[in-house]
Amino acid sequence: AQTVTQSQPEMSVQEAETVTLSCTYDTSESNYYLFWYKQPPSRQMILVIRQEAYKQQNATENRFSVNFQKAAKSFSLKISDSQLGDTAMYFCAFGFTGNQFYFGTGTSLTVIP
Amino acid sequence: DSGVTQTPKHLITATGQRVTLRCSPRSGDLSVYWYQQSLDQGLQFLIQYYNGEERAKGNILERFSAQQFPDLHSELNLSSLELGDSALYFCASSGGSINTEAFFGQGTRLTVV
Repeated sequence: AQTVTQSQPEMSVQEAETVTLSCTYDTSESNYYLFWYKQPPSRQMILVIRQEAYKQQNATENRFSVNFQKAAKSFSLKISDSQLGDTAMYFCAFGFTGNQFYFGTGTSLTVIP
Repeated sequence: DSGVTQTPKHLITATGQRVTLRCSPRSGDLSVYWYQQSLDQGLQFLIQYYNGEERAKGNILERFSAQQFPDLHSELNLSSLELGDSALYFCASSGGSINTEAFFGQGTRLTVV
């Protein structure tokens, strides 16, 4: 079975600080992609960052970076220099060829001014 | 703009009624996914279509059905509506290959009264 676990339902961080959101997953597939999606109060689902499972190098997008540990099946998201606009629900997900995407239950992040 | 169009954006209907939600995927995307998100909840996968064929089914009620048409747009039909069906319904699309993330529409907010 394919599962995604986000063990932190809620987190908060002071503006300009760094925060790390955790995600673990389970799959028997060897080729897959991992994603972090952001859902702000507008409820729009926005892709934050993507990681190819076959790449060892961790993906980075501006202030967002991941720590991908394939053997441990761990995929955490680090947000640096947190901004008020980062306040949102964050979903970890993975997908593989021709199949559905599997989402975690989400982590609600609040950035405190 | 993700390129995925969902209509209508909002829908209010009475219990026992039937509604149809529509989704136009991004140009060239073959896969369409439907998700249900109740208030403050995660994403519940309902169903996936790939190039007109049902590819995967999740926790979709028997009162719900979907289809994907030759032009690749998709419709989600919800019948005998109950108060508990009130939710945000997302459509997402992808190219179907491992190199493509899911692109989400803005969702249809369904309120059953």
